[in-house]
Amino acid sequence: GAVVSQHPSWVICKSGTSVKIECRSLDFQATTMFWYRQFPKQSLMLMATSNEGSKATYEQGVEKDKFLINHASLTLSTLTVTSAHPEDSSFYICSARGSFLGLAGEGGELFFGEGSRLTVL
Amino acid sequence: QKEVEQDPGPLSVPEGAIVSLNCTYSNSAFQYFMWYRQYSRKGPELLMYTYSSGNKEDGRFTAQVDKSSKYISLFIRDSQPSDSATYLCAMSAKNYGQNFVFGPGTRLSVLP
Repeated sequence: GAVVSQHPSWVICKSGTSVKIECRSLDFQATTMFWYRQFPKQSLMLMATSNEGSKATYEQGVEKDKFLINHASLTLSTLTVTSAHPEDSSFYICSARGSFLGLAGEGGELFFGEGSRLTVL
Repeated sequence: QKEVEQDPGPLSVPEGAIVSLNCTYSNSAFQYFMWYRQYSRKGPELLMYTYSSGNKEDGRFTAQVDKSSKYISLFIRDSQPSDSATYLCAMSAKNYGQNFVFGPGTRLSVLP
């Protein structure tokens, strides 16, 4: 099956610094990727939709200047947490939707990265 | 009413039991349905994917979709301690670029 790789899996940083998380689709092209945040024992919370070659679409309540998303190619999206603070500590997960049906307009499976645990001191 | 509702659990069963996990939804436009398993501190892992009503079987897992009643189920036969995880249902309308809508997840514990 399709693989989505996320890096780093674990990062600790000091308050005020910026952290970049990468999400790559390894064996399929993803024009759209999604970024989520997950707190302990809670479900996934969609933060933004990353569109290749255009601006990301952010969910209500998510600060676009704080969570910078860049989708530079069909296989790579990055999330940068700028000026991180302890309240930004969380588990960040990306996903990409791929299709092996080869049919335009058909739905595809959603594959997730392994997640990145951010701890801001 | 939330778009997707799921029994929150937690659910504890003895090893070998049959587990039934359920989700209901309100949006009749949903066409694609998935079940994910998520271990603690890991990304969700795709278990089952279907886009038609009826049953789909894969090993010990069976996914059931009833579009007329707007509910989906995941059955786990001969449950194992390694099945202990949080199970998320997800669904989407027929639009390739759309995100899936997730249920809140059911935490399952299979006791040896």
